[in-house]
Amino acid sequence: QQPVQSPQAVILREGEDAVINCSSSKALYSVHWYRQKHGEAPVFLMILLKGGEQKGHEKISASFNEKKQQSSLYLTASQLSYSGTYFCGTRGTGNQFYFGTGTSLTVIP
Amino acid sequence: NAGVTQTPKFQVLKTGQSMTLQCAQDMNHEYMSWYRQDPGMGLRLIHYSVGAGITDQGEVPNGYNVSRSTTEDFPLRLLSAAPSQTSVYFCASSPWLERFAKNIQYFGAGTRLSVL
Repeated sequence: QQPVQSPQAVILREGEDAVINCSSSKALYSVHWYRQKHGEAPVFLMILLKGGEQKGHEKISASFNEKKQQSSLYLTASQLSYSGTYFCGTRGTGNQFYFGTGTSLTVIP
Repeated sequence: NAGVTQTPKFQVLKTGQSMTLQCAQDMNHEYMSWYRQDPGMGLRLIHYSVGAGITDQGEVPNGYNVSRSTTEDFPLRLLSAAPSQTSVYFCASSPWLERFAKNIQYFGAGTRLSVL
């Protein structure tokens, strides 16, 4: 039930934009996004609860399409501090909470 | 406010040895879980608990045991360590909200385990 993320890795220059996708084979009730800096624990970024809803965090926003069972994370005008691994997360059929396969984002000067 | 505390931070075991990874939270969260993180595989759920006395299996439970005797503590036991259990282990907790889908996960700093 683990969501699949794409791409697996991306390298950006400062100021460039990126999109990270998260898709599930199961129905999505909500989607969480987390960021993990190297050597640290994942930290919550945002949650999306409704289809088509968009949320924002700094210059990071996300969308959620229930029908397509997909969510996308948009990073605009990337900064060095955006580097890290991004995970989507969602509830399983019971009380499990599953995280995606992760996307490594590296922003270079 | 300490949040979620994991001990130890690092551990090296020999194949066949047993050990317990400790996890404690001081936020009075009902929901706690254990994940392992391996390169290219993201975070995979091992076991979880929705409250004291209640535990259940996640995606990769084999080789691990858990118990939840108090709200605060959720230890993970490796009965007979194997090299395949070399990984980084994260404990997470979450409040049990009426709508589970809104439960934000709070993570401990992780335990880096090597099994030789």
